[in-house]
Amino acid sequence: DAGVIQSPRHEVTEMGQEVTLRCKPISGHNSLFWYRQTMMRGLELLIYFNNNVPIDDSGMPEDRFSAKMPNASFSTLKIQPSEPRDSAVYFCATGGAGETQYFGPGTRLLVL
Amino acid sequence: QQQVKQSPQSLIVQKGGISIINCAYENTAFDYFPWYQQFPGKGPALLIAIRPDVSEKKEGRFTISFNKSAKQFSLHIMDSQPGDSATYFCAATLLANNLFFGTGTRLTVIP
Repeated sequence: DAGVIQSPRHEVTEMGQEVTLRCKPISGHNSLFWYRQTMMRGLELLIYFNNNVPIDDSGMPEDRFSAKMPNASFSTLKIQPSEPRDSAVYFCATGGAGETQYFGPGTRLLVL
Repeated sequence: QQQVKQSPQSLIVQKGGISIINCAYENTAFDYFPWYQQFPGKGPALLIAIRPDVSEKKEGRFTISFNKSAKQFSLHIMDSQPGDSATYFCAATLLANNLFFGTGTRLTVIP
């Protein structure tokens, strides 16, 4: 099992640019979560999907952030336009029938 | 509002010592309390978990103690090793939905 796959692993961009983060969940997992990790705020849940349907997006910081899950094997988190305060590590995690969430390696985003 | 409060923020322990990390929660409806371990550059990984109907769970050198009446739970790492140096997060969840994470404890085990 390849685990949760995230791309890119690192992203450096300039303020105002669009950023797209990608996640491929573990096959068979029906829940997908996007988290953001910073030193100041720790791990924050941004949004989670169940069976490709967004269930709770209350953690999405503002309208600049959007997430999609067009099918069971792919999800994207988009930031448009990006700002320096969006710099963080973004994790995708997936879960199956139980409560355990399996995290990907993360995407380290730096917005200059 | 922080649903799960964790302390200490950082911890330094000698090799062979006991590491203790504490967490407290408010929502009595939480039904699953996992601990995640995160190494630098990696995503968090499940270490051990407990349900509120059990007061203690042990897996190797790792033990969770759970006090339902006090709404507190803790992680004990016995015989701490340098390889245990990582950041530890407690968490709580309700009905397998989103995890509410604590703020993390950076553990350093000195050889």
